[in-house]
Amino acid sequence: EDKVVQSPLSLVVHEGDTVTLNCSYEVTNFRSLLWYKQEKKAPTFLFMLTSSGIEKKSGRLSSILDKKELFSILNITATQTGDSAVYLCAGVNYGGSQGNLIFGKGTKLSVKP
Amino acid sequence: GAGVSQSPSNKVTEKGKDVELRCDPISGHTALYWYRQSLGQGLEFLIYFQGNSAPDKSGLPSDRFSAERTGGSVSTLTIQRTQQEDSAVYLCASSSHVDTQYFGPGTRLTVL
Repeated sequence: EDKVVQSPLSLVVHEGDTVTLNCSYEVTNFRSLLWYKQEKKAPTFLFMLTSSGIEKKSGRLSSILDKKELFSILNITATQTGDSAVYLCAGVNYGGSQGNLIFGKGTKLSVKP
Repeated sequence: GAGVSQSPSNKVTEKGKDVELRCDPISGHTALYWYRQSLGQGLEFLIYFQGNSAPDKSGLPSDRFSAERTGGSVSTLTIQRTQQEDSAVYLCASSSHVDTQYFGPGTRLTVL
């Protein structure tokens, strides 16, 4: 059965800290891995990763995929209170069930001033 | 429209009543997804529509749940005889490519 596991489930840091969020996956017919940020209701897209070892960056956020070890990390440097959110990871199993996406339970990040 | 829209944004109903939740996807997106998110939980897949293909209903939790997508666009999720455990945020997403989903703002359902 396909699954995506995120860790930690929750994390509390102070502004300026650097955090690393983890996502491991077991997905048949793996196509890509997605990261989303969910602040209130609607998750917003952050990154799509398809190739191993190629870092994607957007401002203070970056992410990388390891297709050999089946995991991805999301890094946030110099955290700000506005980074507080639930971060979701999803594996895409093209042609599979659940509409091709398997979501993890998320990591709840709280950034204290 | 500019994004995925859902209505209502909030719905409070009594146990045993039926509810309908609506999703308007981004124009031209062939794929539409419904998810449920209970308090503090991850996204739970419910149903997936892709073009004119038969929907993937593998995530529907019971036969009280059903969904339609008319004309390949608007979708309605119906929950019959609601139960308190149905209380959750119901999220709709649409996509033109499997790798990128755009989520609506969700409907918060509260069953009293």
